Amino acid sequence: EPEVTQTPSHQVTQMGQEVILRCVPISNHLYFYWYRQILGQKVEFLVSFYNNEISEKSEIFDDQFSVERPDGSNFTLKIRSTKLEDSAMYFCASLGVPTSGPHEQFFGPGTRLTVL
Amino acid sequence: DQQVKQNSPSLSVQEGRISILNCDYTNSMFDYFLWYKKYPAEGPTFLISISSIKDKNEDGRFTVFLNKSAKHLSLHIVPSQPGDSAVYFCAASGDGGGADGLTFGKGTHLIIQP
Repeated sequence: EPEVTQTPSHQVTQMGQEVILRCVPISNHLYFYWYRQILGQKVEFLVSFYNNEISEKSEIFDDQFSVERPDGSNFTLKIRSTKLEDSAMYFCASLGVPTSGPHEQFFGPGTRLTVL
Repeated sequence: DQQVKQNSPSLSVQEGRISILNCDYTNSMFDYFLWYKKYPAEGPTFLISISSIKDKNEDGRFTVFLNKSAKHLSLHIVPSQPGDSAVYFCAASGDGGGADGLTFGKGTHLIIQP
């Protein structure tokens, strides 16, 4: 069964450093997303991406964040200068062509980011 | 601003009985509602969904009910099995096609007792 994969599973970084989180969405899916979950809190939407550009973004997704699809398979989230409060689980998700039915996004296993 | 609320952080149910998980929402613009299940150290896994034009959707042991006037939905699992022990998230989406991110509740930890 096709699945979304994410690397690394755990990333530890120093405050102020840049990190890149990587995702391989399900092939032939067209929409890609990043979410985060701070420990003990709910899963929060960061950004959606379609046709090589950002479709929607939340207020969390400020200038410190950027996304890219550098090739036909990878989808990345970059945090330019990490802060302590960026420590969270980051989930990538993807979606095939949405029909009139509900939008079933498929999630990866997540990358745990720890900022020291 | 909690647009999707799951007011029960945890729920304990005996194996074989019915599990009922509840979710309330405040945003009338939500068009689709989804339930996800999450095990520790894994990503959320899609379970079942419902469009706002329906009031019930069933898939095997899982049924989701939507009461649009009350802005309330519930997930029924019957019969409950030990493997159902997990955190269950209610999520909602607008009608913006694939561009919309999902808005999640805080989750309910379901524990199935043998």
